[in-house]
Amino acid sequence: QKEVEQNSGPLSVPEGAIASLNCTYSDRGSQSFFWYRQYSGKSPELIMFIYSNGDKEDGRFTAQLNKASQYVSLLIRDSQPSDSATYLCAVNTGGFKTIFGAGTRLFVKA
Amino acid sequence: NAGVTQTPKFRILKIGQSMTLQCAQDMNHNYMYWYRQDPGMGLKLIYYSVGAGITDKGEVPNGYNVSRSTTEDFPLRLELAAPSQTSVYFCASSYEGSTEAFFGQGTRLTVV
Repeated sequence: QKEVEQNSGPLSVPEGAIASLNCTYSDRGSQSFFWYRQYSGKSPELIMFIYSNGDKEDGRFTAQLNKASQYVSLLIRDSQPSDSATYLCAVNTGGFKTIFGAGTRLFVKA
Repeated sequence: NAGVTQTPKFRILKIGQSMTLQCAQDMNHNYMYWYRQDPGMGLKLIYYSVGAGITDKGEVPNGYNVSRSTTEDFPLRLELAAPSQTSVYFCASSYEGSTEAFFGQGTRLTVV
């Protein structure tokens, strides 16, 4: 089992819809969870981070964490073509060790 | 603020050549990292550092070396380049190991 798993996609949604991106992780001791957005040919940039169970909202983005199920998700409301990118889930398992998933490609159709 | 600066942006190496990828950050972060990203894959940690003079191996350290003589700089050395080292290399830094990482713009390396 991979340490951080994501569906590679592509996930295609129409403009204005909700995009739902999912991530599972294997280390139950993980404490910090991150979503990075990476445009093609660019470096990753942080979208959201979450440390506690439940939901965390920031504008059109909501991160959801369920530690019992070892599951973290990112919802993007009112999706825009500019949201088309690869979304990387990252999980910190302690100290320096942050493991990245392979990413989910999102395509928002205008 | 410049954040994390990497040079060069692109490089083509011949098999067996060596080179150094430069990375500098101006955020006074203790933690610095080198990752590589192969097409369609996530980031794999090559080496990391928790402060000046302290470095350690990540998941895929073979064929690479690092040094950290100052808080700001964390160069990555490739010795005897191989085609398997063709990848995009990202340097990153963070305040602590469990906090947000800030990435440089990447170096696209091709070994032919």
